[in-house]
Amino acid sequence: DAKTTQPPSMDCAEGRAANLPCNHSTISGNEYVYWYRQIHSQGPQYIIHGLKNNETNEMASLIITEDRKSSTLILPHATLRDTAVYYCIVRVASGGGADGLTFGKGTHLIIQP
Amino acid sequence: NAGVTQTPKFRVLKTGQSMTLLCAQDMNHEYMYWYRQDPGMGLRLIHYSVGEGTTAKGEVPDGYNVSRLKKQNFLLGLESAAPSQTSVYFCASSRGTPIGQYFGPGTRLTVT
Repeated sequence: DAKTTQPPSMDCAEGRAANLPCNHSTISGNEYVYWYRQIHSQGPQYIIHGLKNNETNEMASLIITEDRKSSTLILPHATLRDTAVYYCIVRVASGGGADGLTFGKGTHLIIQP
Repeated sequence: NAGVTQTPKFRVLKTGQSMTLLCAQDMNHEYMYWYRQDPGMGLRLIHYSVGEGTTAKGEVPDGYNVSRLKKQNFLLGLESAAPSQTSVYFCASSRGTPIGQYFGPGTRLTVT
């Protein structure tokens, strides 16, 4: 799996958009970009994933650059409940089920009131 | 939907004791996973299942056994607990790749 690089921490004001960057310069053509988050003492939470195109769901938007070497997760209107560690993961969709997740250190996003 | 639930939430065991952790999902997902999370180590996959009646080893399977007798349940067993198995255990389920995995709230296990 391609290595990802994320800033260790970020602050964002409540109500503003939170933009979390991720670099994955060695990504290969069949690797997806996934975003998860983990709020303190809770289970990880799936947010969104994408291959080439930008994606949006009820939680967030995922913007992938044309060369696929980086991506940005956007939380459009951050709330205090969005304070968490956010993980960017790049993985092949193996289809065999052995797609266990490996979380790096992630970005600790702190939403300021 | 309750999503993914785990039982129990907390447990303290003595070395050598056995226990079973239960994971249940009501999303009709085919794939289920057991992870452990230790401070500074991130998530590590213990075992997984791609369907009812199937199981397979993940990254750190030693000391654990699993069973998937029903599609909605995935059991993780510790036959003889050791202090090194003190951890937070998370269960997850998925419809399959490339769809994301949905996690339970975790079981905090301490082995003394």
